[in-house]
Amino acid sequence: EADIYQTPRYLVIGTGKKITLECSQTMGHDKMYWYQQDPGMELHLIHYSYGVNSTEKGDLSSESTVSRIRTEHFPLTLESARPSHTSQYLCASSLAGGPENEQFFGPGTRLTVL
Amino acid sequence: AQSVTQLDSQVPVFEEAPVELRCNYSSSVSVYLFWYVQYPNQGLQLLLKYLSGSTLVKGINGFEAEFNKSQTSFHLRKPSVHISDTAEYFCAVSDLGGNDMRFGAGTRLTVKP
Repeated sequence: EADIYQTPRYLVIGTGKKITLECSQTMGHDKMYWYQQDPGMELHLIHYSYGVNSTEKGDLSSESTVSRIRTEHFPLTLESARPSHTSQYLCASSLAGGPENEQFFGPGTRLTVL
Repeated sequence: AQSVTQLDSQVPVFEEAPVELRCNYSSSVSVYLFWYVQYPNQGLQLLLKYLSGSTLVKGINGFEAEFNKSQTSFHLRKPSVHISDTAEYFCAVSDLGGNDMRFGAGTRLTVKP
């Protein structure tokens, strides 16, 4: 079944740790995205990719980095986590092409940095 | 760049009552409009979208939305809500100007028995 997966679903870590949030999709989509979601605020785009070896920064400045070595995999890495990184992180994907294509979302990773 | 304003952060309503969740957008070019729903501990899923044509769009779970170009609005409606409609609802806009999809801050719909 075509879907988009995120692991872990919940993560509690200490300050200074390096973490990687995993995102995989089996939908064959070229475009993938990472959003940061905080209560009562709009979703903020932090990274996106048009395809393999393509990565771009979104409108919200982020200390995280991403990679796109395979079409289906778009991991997000924080080299040194801080309490300000505490948030919900949503991964999404869409067909390549125009802005009429909807995005499909994973279930999210809720990150807490102590 | 385009922007989205969801006028109500929270909407409480009783079961079987009608509901309207309001969304206004701004953009200098033609737009595509979306409503997504997020149930607790889940990602967003598409309810409906407006691309072109008829301004009344029907979606899943009995929801519909009307595109009003003159008022730059895309309000979501349901004539009779269920307890299971309790969720966060997000309006989103993308446009032909090459901008990324923008999401509103969300409206929390709470349906009470």
